[in-house]
Amino acid sequence: DAKTTQPNSMESNEEEPVHLPCNHSTISGTDYIHWYRQLPSQGPEYVIHGLTSNVNNRMASLAIAEDRKSSTLILHRATLRDAAVYYCIRVRGYGKLTFGQGTILTVHP
Amino acid sequence: DVKVTQSSRYLVKRTGEKVFLECVQDMDHENMFWYRQDPGLGLRLIYFSYDVKMKEKGDIPEGYSVSREKKERFSLILESASTNQTSMYLCASKRAGNYEQYFGPGTRLTVT
Repeated sequence: DAKTTQPNSMESNEEEPVHLPCNHSTISGTDYIHWYRQLPSQGPEYVIHGLTSNVNNRMASLAIAEDRKSSTLILHRATLRDAAVYYCIRVRGYGKLTFGQGTILTVHP
Repeated sequence: DVKVTQSSRYLVKRTGEKVFLECVQDMDHENMFWYRQDPGLGLRLIYFSYDVKMKEKGDIPEGYSVSREKKERFSLILESASTNQTSMYLCASKRAGNYEQYFGPGTRLTVT
């Protein structure tokens, strides 16, 4: 099955940038990289996705390595509301999502 | 904004009962999904539906069935609930051809 590797946890201070890494060394050419996050007691929420180029949206930026074996989700200014579990996943075909353990992000005031 | 609603946030059922979990989305999405989420196992796909009356098995369909009679509604059925089906159940929907899935708040089912 599609595998990604993320750190179990990370910490940040409020209003500082956060870089969440993800390794996907066995990615195939047609796999997209998606990021979702899950706040406590809520369903997952889409954050961003990309294929080869770096991507920006209102929530975050996604930097994808040139060899596509890794990517980084960037939150430019963390807020307390960004505290969540962040999932990096490879998606192919019809879009089945398979979440691993993700990274627990703690944001300190 | 897309809204995906699930019939219950918390549900307690007894072993052997037939359980219905309902999911409704209000954005005319073609694709709908049922997942379960368990500690240590992450999110796993049970069933999905491309469109009305269409359904496909996911990774763990055993013990479950689904129904999609209307575009906005996707039901998950536990024919005879068992304790190993105690879990968080999440419904999601998306527009065909798009990538972003929208999730409901989840139903935490406990089978005793």
